Amino acid sequence: DIQLTQSPSSLSASVGDRVTITCRASQGIRNDLGWYQQKPGKAPKRLIYSASILQSGVPSRFSGSGFGTEFTLTISSLQPEDFATYFCLQHNNYPPLTFGGGTKVEIK
Amino acid sequence: QVQLVQSGTEVKKPGASVKVSCKASGYTFTSYDINWVRQATGQGLEWMGWMNPNSGHSGYAQRFHGRVTMTVNTSIRTAYMELSSLRSEDTAVYYCARVGGSIDSWGQGTLVTVSS
Repeated sequence: DIQLTQSPSSLSASVGDRVTITCRASQGIRNDLGWYQQKPGKAPKRLIYSASILQSGVPSRFSGSGFGTEFTLTISSLQPEDFATYFCLQHNNYPPLTFGGGTKVEIK
Repeated sequence: QVQLVQSGTEVKKPGASVKVSCKASGYTFTSYDINWVRQATGQGLEWMGWMNPNSGHSGYAQRFHGRVTMTVNTSIRTAYMELSSLRSEDTAVYYCARVGGSIDSWGQGTLVTVSS
């Protein structure tokens, strides 16, 4: 099965900071990757699909890039509502689905 | 809009079974797979398996083989996940999710607590 390695596992940042999260796949997955945000006690919410396409209704400060094995999620200017856990999900060889380990974004 | 509404919190004893339901609305139920994912407290997400409501076919993650069964009732647009031989390590929030490429919609989650 394809493995996803997400880094960092946590980070501290301030409002207005630029934040970058990386997801590396154990083999090429084209652009079959999405990024999700999860807040405590809530279901995840998709932010990005097909590696770089912004989900409708998601603020434009979120962006995704990458192809093959390396992918990034960038938050251009962190807002108070962005403090959450983020994770990547690949569906290249579905089934199965594979999740990254998650990145917790905390307030500095 | 697409909605997946799950059944409520469950408390079970070790060795028992639990069956969680997921009622879909807002889209053609038979056009998308339903997957199940779980998350233990403070942990990451773990994929459990998939079900195709149109064909009735399903498949499960190896670690759950023999313990999990995923079914659907298309007449009431509801998917089910049954997990048997429960142990304390199965305590988690269980999510159903619609797969259209990747996961594009999630249920609200069902907490299953396994405790003697």
